[in-house]
Amino acid sequence: SQKIEQNSEALNIQEGKTATLTCNYTNYSPAYLQWYRQDPGRGPVFLLLIRENEKEKRKERLKVTFDTTLKQSLFHITASQPADSATYLCALVGNFNKFYFGSGTKLNVKP
Amino acid sequence: NAGVTQTPKFQVLKTGQSMTLQCAQDMNHNSMYWYRQDPGMGLRLIYYSASEGTTDKGEVPNGYNVSRLNKREFSLRLESAAPSQTSVYFCASTLSGGNPNTQYFGPGTRLTVL
Repeated sequence: SQKIEQNSEALNIQEGKTATLTCNYTNYSPAYLQWYRQDPGRGPVFLLLIRENEKEKRKERLKVTFDTTLKQSLFHITASQPADSATYLCALVGNFNKFYFGSGTKLNVKP
Repeated sequence: NAGVTQTPKFQVLKTGQSMTLQCAQDMNHNSMYWYRQDPGMGLRLIYYSASEGTTDKGEVPNGYNVSRLNKREFSLRLESAAPSQTSVYFCASTLSGGNPNTQYFGPGTRLTVL
C-alpha cells in the first residue's frame, strides 16, 4: 500500500527565513503530488500541485520540487511570516481518485 | 458558493449510540470523501464515492456506513459508536475527470464518544 511520510516534529524557524518541509513516499509512482495547508480547527486547503514531469513549481513565496527518482517532494516557503504558521500536508492521488495524505508537518514561524 | 458544509460541528455520544454526519457540496463535484483525523495519524480515508450511486471502502471503514444521497450530499453513519471513533471527521469533494483534481474540505465535525 502507499506510504507517505512527513516529518512529525514541528519545524520552528525565525521570521524571514526559508522553511523547507519534506514529503517522502513509497510503493507508488504518482502522476502528480499536492500540498495543502491546515490551520487549527479547520479543514485542509489546497496550495499547489506538481506533476511528475515538472521539477519545480512556484506560486508567490511558495516553491515545490518533485524528485521521482528519490520519491520525494520538498516544499519551500521563502521570507516566512508568522501568518505562515500552520500544518502542511502532502498528498498523492491514486487509482479511482483516491487521495493519500501524509500526517503533516507543523510549521511555527517566530517573529 | 458555500463550498463543502458539514453538520454538526461538535457532537458528544455515549458508547453504543448512533448518529449520522451530514455533508453537502454546491460545486457540482462528482466525487466525495469521508476522512477521520487523529493526532499523529494524518487524514485517513473512511469511505469515498467516486460518482453518484457508487460508494467504496477506504483505509478504515469498519464501524461506519455511508450513503450518497444525490450528487450534492454524502452522509456518514455510526451505527454503534465506540470510544475509538473519537476523532475529527472531514468531508471533502473533488471534480473528477481530466485535469489533476484537488480536494475541497469542509470545516470538520469534532466527535467525542464517551
